Amino acid sequence: RKEVEQDPGPFNVPEGATVAFNCTYSNSASQSFFWYRQDCRKEPKLLMSVYSSGNEDGRFTAQLNRASQYISLLIRDSKLSDSATYLCVVTGGKSTFGDGTTLTVKP
Amino acid sequence: DADVTQTPRNRITKTGKRIMLECSQTKGHDRMYWYRQDPGLGLRLIYYSFDVKDINKGEISDGYSVSRQAQAKFSLSLESAIPNQTALYFCATSDPRQGGPGELFFGEGSRLTVL
Repeated sequence: RKEVEQDPGPFNVPEGATVAFNCTYSNSASQSFFWYRQDCRKEPKLLMSVYSSGNEDGRFTAQLNRASQYISLLIRDSKLSDSATYLCVVTGGKSTFGDGTTLTVKP
Repeated sequence: DADVTQTPRNRITKTGKRIMLECSQTKGHDRMYWYRQDPGLGLRLIYYSFDVKDINKGEISDGYSVSRQAQAKFSLSLESAIPNQTALYFCATSDPRQGGPGELFFGEGSRLTVL
C-alpha cells in the first residue's frame, strides 16, 4: 500500500462546478499536510497547507481528519484556470507525495 | 532570477554515460532534496540533505549519488545512466523556520532522456 493515496483522476468538470479531491495517508505520525498544484509538467507549487481546524482560501477549502488519516480539497465555482494536477503531500521529517489528481475544467 | 536553479533543463544522453544534474539556491535554506517524477506519478524522493554534512537516501536512491558541496548547492549524479532513469527531476529546498513547516520550494525541473 502506498503511503499517500489520492483519488484516481481525471476529473472533468464544467466551469462553475464544485469538485472535491480526497487523500489518505498511512503514517499516523505525519506532522504536516499540504496541497500542491502542478501545471503541465512544471514544478509543483504550494496551493495551501491543511490544518485540523480546516482552512479556506477564496474558493479553496482544505480539511484534515487525523483520526481517519484523511485530507480533502474542495474547489468551488471552478474556473478554466483551475485545470491542473493537484498533489497531496504528507510530511513527517521528509515529504511524501501522492500520485496526483488531474482536473480539467471545461467551458 | 529563480530562487532554486537547476541545470541543465534538458539533457539527452546515451546508456552508460555519467550525468550530473546541478541545483543551486539563493533562499538560504539548509534542507535540499532531489525528486524524480515519471508520467502519471507523483514525485519520489531520491536523496535529501538537511545540512552540508548530512546526506540521506530516499525511497529510490539506487543508481544515483549526490554531493552537497555547500549550503547552496546540491548535485545529483547518475554514474552509468540507463533508459529507465528517463524522467523529470526536481530539486527542492525547505526550511521549517520560513514559509511554514515542510513547505517545499522547487526548481523548474531537469528533463533527462536516456537512449
